[in-house]
Order: sequence, then C-alpha cells, then structure tokens
Amino acid sequence: SQKIEQNSEALNIQEGKTATLTCNYTNYSPAYLQWYRQDPGRGPVFLLLIRENEKEKRKERLKVTFDTTLKQSLFHITASQPADSATYLCARTGAGSYQLTFGKGTKLSVIP
Amino acid sequence: DVKVTQSSRYLVKRTGEKVFLECVQDMDHENMFWYRQDPGLGLRLIYFSYDVKMKEKGDIPEGYSVSREKKERFSLILESASTNQTSMYLCASSSLGTSTYEQYFGPGTRLTVT
Repeated sequence: SQKIEQNSEALNIQEGKTATLTCNYTNYSPAYLQWYRQDPGRGPVFLLLIRENEKEKRKERLKVTFDTTLKQSLFHITASQPADSATYLCARTGAGSYQLTFGKGTKLSVIP
Repeated sequence: DVKVTQSSRYLVKRTGEKVFLECVQDMDHENMFWYRQDPGLGLRLIYFSYDVKMKEKGDIPEGYSVSREKKERFSLILESASTNQTSMYLCASSSLGTSTYEQYFGPGTRLTVT
C-alpha cells in the first residue's frame, strides 16, 4: 500500500524563525503531494500542491519542495507567526486517482 | 468560495441508534468523501462517491453506509451506532475538472455514541 508519513507529531518554533515540516512517502512517487492546514475542531484547508516533476512551489510565506530521490516533501513557513500554529497534513495522490492518502499530521506551535 | 456544509457540528447518540450525517457542497463537484479522524490515527477514508448513485468503499467501511441521490448531497449512515464510532466525521469534495483533486472539507461533526 502507498504510505505517507509525517515523522514529527509536534514541532515548537520561535516566532520569526522558519518552520520546516517533513513528509515521507513509500513505494512509487505520487503524482502530487498536497499540504493542508487544520485548526482544532475544524476541517483541513488546502494550502499548496506540488507535482512530481516540480522541485519547488511557493505561495507567500509558504514553500514546498519535492525530492523524488529522498521520497520526501518539505514544507517551510518563513517568518513564522503565532497565527501559523496549527496541525499541518500532507497527502499523496497518484496519477489519474482522485483519492488522497493523508499523513497523521504535525502540530506546529509558534511561540511568541 | 467553495463551501461544504455538514448538518451538525456536535451530535450525541445512544448505542444502537441509526445515525444520519449529511453533507452538502455548492461547487458542483463530482467527487465527495467521508472520513473519520481519531487522535493518533489521522484521517481515514470511509466511503467516497464520484457520481450520483455511485459509491466506493474506502479503508474502513464496516458499520457504515452512504447515499448520494443528488450531486450536491452525500449522506453517511451509521446503521446501528456503537461506542467505537465516537469520532470526528469530516466530509470533503473535489472536482474532476482540476486534475489535481485538491479536496475541500466541511467543518466536521463530532459524534459521541454513549
């Protein structure tokens, strides 16, 4: 089965620093890796998507990288703020598939 | 904006009751999904549907059924609720038109079965 793993359950970081979250996958490379943000008691919200033939994608303070050699995606939040505190989920999908397989998430806490 | 709504934010039911959770999306999306989310287990797919009256089992369909009579509406049914079905239930939708299939989630229903 195609697995996706977020190795850190929790990450604490000082305000203003760059937060880096890791997502690893097994077996074949997914067509896309997606990142979502989830606040307590709420549904996940889509943030960014990166295709397997892309190395990097940016959106404002967010950056996602995709390394098919390491079978890994990194999610960066630069100049982190307390408002960035949330759980971040990564998800994979294969070509032609509309199902997502989610990681368990990393809870990010940005400390003022 | 894409909007996915769920019929209840909180629900308390007794063991053995039949429970209906309803989800409505207003974006004309073809795909709809039901997940449950539990601490330490993450999001797990229960059922999904890619068209009206079509349904496919996800990873954990046992104890659940679904209904999709209209494109915008996808219902999750617990035929006889049990305490191990206490969970957060999340509905999502996505469009076949994007090819990237990012999903849009509802706010969730926290179901407690006593």
